[in-house]
Amino acid sequence: DTGVSQNPRHKITKRGQNVTFRCDPISEHNRLYWYRQTLGQGPEFLTYFQNEAQLEKSRLLSDRFSAERPKGSFSTLEIQRTEQGDSAMYLCASGRGPQETQYFGPGTRLLVL
Amino acid sequence: QKEVEQNSGPLSVPEGAIASLNCTYSDRGSQSFFWYRQYSGKSPELIMFIYSNGDKEDGRFTAQLNKASQYVSLLIRDSQPSDSATYLCAGTSIGGYQKVTFGTGTKLQVIP
Repeated sequence: DTGVSQNPRHKITKRGQNVTFRCDPISEHNRLYWYRQTLGQGPEFLTYFQNEAQLEKSRLLSDRFSAERPKGSFSTLEIQRTEQGDSAMYLCASGRGPQETQYFGPGTRLLVL
Repeated sequence: QKEVEQNSGPLSVPEGAIASLNCTYSDRGSQSFFWYRQYSGKSPELIMFIYSNGDKEDGRFTAQLNKASQYVSLLIRDSQPSDSATYLCAGTSIGGYQKVTFGTGTKLQVIP
């Protein structure tokens, strides 16, 4: 399977705990995106990498959120001191350049109790 | 004002009919537009993209773009119950970093 993969698919955690999600993009794609989606809303942009460089971050990405793509391949998104409002589907997408379409992974569904 | 606006629906059409989904955008710098289909609990799946004015057809799907009116639409011909899903419109800007902005989606129900 050469699509975008995300792990874990589901995560339940208690408020205040840290969580980390992983995204493996399509191998030839140099662009990687993270989105958050809540019920009834479209995906909201969080951050974007071109290769290993994080080129843009949304204002939605508070200081509790950090993302990395250390070798320009897979990426991790960490949320520290989780809050109930962080409960959402976290989506990763990858693409190959300007105007290129983005292909989404299956998402990680986070529930913060 | 939201950058990409869609009617949330639901839009109900009978099986075999044409479903027409509409989207407007506010950023005149937007260059490319995408339609994604999202089934409940699943991630978005690309249907079509368009960046030139006019129509683009792919099977039962036709995307239409009118940059002067800042309007994008998706037509689904011969609608099937399996087309029942939420359809997300998204737009991107060229120049600087590519940021894709999604609408809230239109829920389509195809009634057998």
